[in-house]
Amino acid sequence: GAVVSQHPSWVICKSGTSVKIECRSLDFQATTMFWYRQFPKQSLMLMATSNEGSKATYEQGVEKDKFLINHASLTLSTLTVTSAHPEDSSFYICSARAPGQGTVEAFFGQGTRLTVV
Amino acid sequence: DAKTTQPTSMDCAEGRAANLPCNHSTISGNEYVYWYRQIHSQGPQYIIHGLKNNETNEMASLIITEDRKSSTLILPHATLRDTAVYYCIVRSRGGADGLTFGKGTHLIIQP
Repeated sequence: GAVVSQHPSWVICKSGTSVKIECRSLDFQATTMFWYRQFPKQSLMLMATSNEGSKATYEQGVEKDKFLINHASLTLSTLTVTSAHPEDSSFYICSARAPGQGTVEAFFGQGTRLTVV
Repeated sequence: DAKTTQPTSMDCAEGRAANLPCNHSTISGNEYVYWYRQIHSQGPQYIIHGLKNNETNEMASLIITEDRKSSTLILPHATLRDTAVYYCIVRSRGGADGLTFGKGTHLIIQP
C-alpha cells in the first residue's frame, strides 16, 4: 500500500518556541493531505485539510495563525506549531490519499508526539 | 457522514475469530463502510471497506447486513498484534473531506 512518512516521530520543545512537523507521501503524489490531533485516550480530531498550491482549510476552533500549514509540493506538507504551549502537547498525525485508485481510503503517517515543556 | 456506534471495548482469545460490530442505521445509499485500526502510539491503518457486498482481503472480512444498517469486521485468527482501537467510519466514496473518527472499539487479544 501507499506509504506516508512523518518526521520527527517525537519532539520536546520549550514553551514559546515553534516546531515543524513534516508529512511526506513516499510513493505517490498527494494533492490533499490532512492533519489530525489526538489527545491521550481520545479519538483523532481533524485539524485542517492541506491542499497543494493553495491555502489550507481549518476546522472550526483550530487557529490558523498558530498551526501553520504549508503544502508546497505534491509529496510534502508541513505543520508548524507556533509559540507552543504545554496544552499543545499532543499526538499529531497526517494522512494522504493516493489518487487514481478509485477508492478514498486514507494512508496515515506514524504520528508525531509533541511535548511542550 | 452517517454516525456510527461501536462497543467501547471487546476481548478475544488469541487464535480465535474477533468479530467487531458497528451500527450505522442512518447510512445513505452512496456511503461506504470503512474500517481502520490504530495500534497504540501509531497512526491509523486502513483495513477494509465495502458498500453492500461482503468483502475480504488479507487482513479481514467485512460483513454488511442486507439493509446496510450494520456491519461486522472479522479478524479470522486474532493475534496479540491485533490489539488496537478499531474505527468504523461511514462516508461517501467521492468525499473530499478528512475522516471523522468516533471513539472506536478497543479490542484486546488475550493470550
